[in-house]
Amino acid sequence: SSVLTQPPSVSVAPGKTATITCGGNNVRSKSVHWYQQKSGQAPVVVIYYDRDRPSGIPERFSGSSSGNTATLTISRVEVGDEADYYCQVWDSTSDHSWVFGGGTKLTVL
Amino acid sequence: VQLVESGGGLVQPGGSLRLSCAASGFTFSSHWMHWVRQPPGKGLVGVSRINPGGTYSDHADSVKGRLTISRDNARNTLYLQMNSLRVEDTAVYFCVKANLNDELGDSWGQGTLVTVSS
Repeated sequence: SSVLTQPPSVSVAPGKTATITCGGNNVRSKSVHWYQQKSGQAPVVVIYYDRDRPSGIPERFSGSSSGNTATLTISRVEVGDEADYYCQVWDSTSDHSWVFGGGTKLTVL
Repeated sequence: VQLVESGGGLVQPGGSLRLSCAASGFTFSSHWMHWVRQPPGKGLVGVSRINPGGTYSDHADSVKGRLTISRDNARNTLYLQMNSLRVEDTAVYFCVKANLNDELGDSWGQGTLVTVSS
């Protein structure tokens, strides 16, 4: 079954680029989805199927995947991007079919 | 799409609660539905899921035999029956609509807090 590893925290200055990684033994063979969760709110999909962006999500958000690591990149970071970010894959062999990474707290300095 | 959870609250260990999720804005009977929980200050954990027709469901090992997901497609409502509750079940419980392939949660409710404490 899948285990997804994310850095607990990432800090970035406004206007700079934030990079959040999601590593796992099965990532290379699976599609990765990314959620943004602002304080006290429900998660929202920001990237799905590795690199697709839902309508309404700014182009500053992009996703990629190479080998056993998927990456969420936020360009020209804004104060409003401060949130927790979770990666997720679908894995039928896992305890629950949706496997989430532990989450990364993005702090905008 | 709108998902509105209700039924959370404070319950003693060993007690029971029933969560409900009223769905609107989409064809409820066409989608897998999930409950995902988030303990205070921690990450997201998938708990239970149910197929569109309500004929198949599964649960995480940590809740198997104690939590049961169900749905009423005529009422566009998802349920989570929670029995034999433990302190470690304390969390915000989110009702989540899956995409048509059931690979991700494309719409989430605001969540309902369940606190298990004596």
